[in-house]
Parts: sequence; C-alpha cells; structure tokens
Amino acid sequence: SQQGEEDPQALSIQEGENATMNCSYKTSINNLQWYRQNSGRGLVHLILIRSNEREKHSGRLRVTLDTSKKSSSLLITASRAADTASYFCATDAETSGSRLTFGEGTQLTVNP
Amino acid sequence: NAGVTQTPKFQVLKTGQSMTLQCAQDMNHNSMYWYRQDPGMGLRLIYYSASEGTTDKGEVPNGYNVSRLNKREFSLRLESAAPSQTSVYFCASGGQLRQPQHFGDGTRLSIL
Repeated sequence: SQQGEEDPQALSIQEGENATMNCSYKTSINNLQWYRQNSGRGLVHLILIRSNEREKHSGRLRVTLDTSKKSSSLLITASRAADTASYFCATDAETSGSRLTFGEGTQLTVNP
Repeated sequence: NAGVTQTPKFQVLKTGQSMTLQCAQDMNHNSMYWYRQDPGMGLRLIYYSASEGTTDKGEVPNGYNVSRLNKREFSLRLESAAPSQTSVYFCASGGQLRQPQHFGDGTRLSIL
C-alpha cells in the first residue's frame, strides 16, 4: 500500500508561474523527502524535511510539513521549462528503518 | 562519478525465462534497494539489504530473489518471468542515518 498520496496527479503551468504539489501520508514519520524524476531517468533527491521541522528552503524550492495533518507541500517558485518532470514524496516511517515509501507522483509540465 | 549503475538498460524476455538484473554502487553505502515502477503506482520496494550479508523482503517480493554479493553489488533475479513483471526496475543505495537514497537510471523490462 502506498504511504504517500500526491495531489494533483498532473499539473500544467506557464514558465514563471509557481507550482505547488501536495503529499499526504498515513503513519508517523522520521522525515519526508521529495524526489524528482526526469523522463527515462532515475529519481534525484531534492530536499529532506525532518518531522520536527515545519518549513525548509532550497533555492527555488520550499517544503512545508504539517505532522498534525500528516501532509506536506512542495512549492517551486518562478518555474522553468527545465522543471518539467515527475515529483515524488517519500516518507521514512518511524518503524521502517531506512526504507522509504513513495507516493504516486505529480507530473509537472512547464510550458515555455 | 558513476553513483549507482544498473545493467542492462533494456531487456525483453519470454514468459518463463530467467534473468538477473545487476546493480553496483561506488558510494560505500551500507544499504541497497530494489524497486519496481509501474504507471500510476509510484515506486514499490521489492527487496532491500541493510548491510552486506543481509537481505529482507519489501512490499512486493513474490517472484523475485536477491543477492548482496558484496558491499558494492546487489542483484535481482527473476527465476521464471511472468508478464505481470513487466516494469521499470530501479536500484538505489544509501538512506541510512536519514540520508537520501541515490538511484540508478533503471532497467526497462518487458515480458512477452
């Protein structure tokens, strides 16, 4: 079963706009991670937020975590055509060791 | 800087054939993982190895076996391939001490 569920499944925006993706999960976590996957490639780690953190920034990325609602969001500001990819959240549950459980992903298309 | 290397990149099998997918990492990680990715389902964990000499089942282990040959290499074997095993297979390493996982570029496997 999938721990994470992502919303929306697909998102299409214009260059320069902001893109927001959401992730919900079911069990208590140690941390939540976001990964990016370009077509035909493996996943690349973007950012990790620990369960005791509420917000984290990395360049044009902003991640929030609400453990009371078991949800996270990824905001990409001033999007570029090169941001076109699938984005996945992954949770590191308290009982899972180093195993991650991935959501189904959001397909982001940024139109030039 | 190879990171995680998977071979082969593509393979077509007939039902009932066997094959081994190879994975090697050069980052001195203790943990390694095998996932499958099917359309609309995100990544699902097949098997993982927390350290050299140990392997454990993930979410979808049926029909697969693994070998942790040494610290660098973790192979996935399909003994008798079935069409339901048509998928993209990803190997990853890392993830311990709340660090991100690093992924290979995948093996695209079709079983006819």
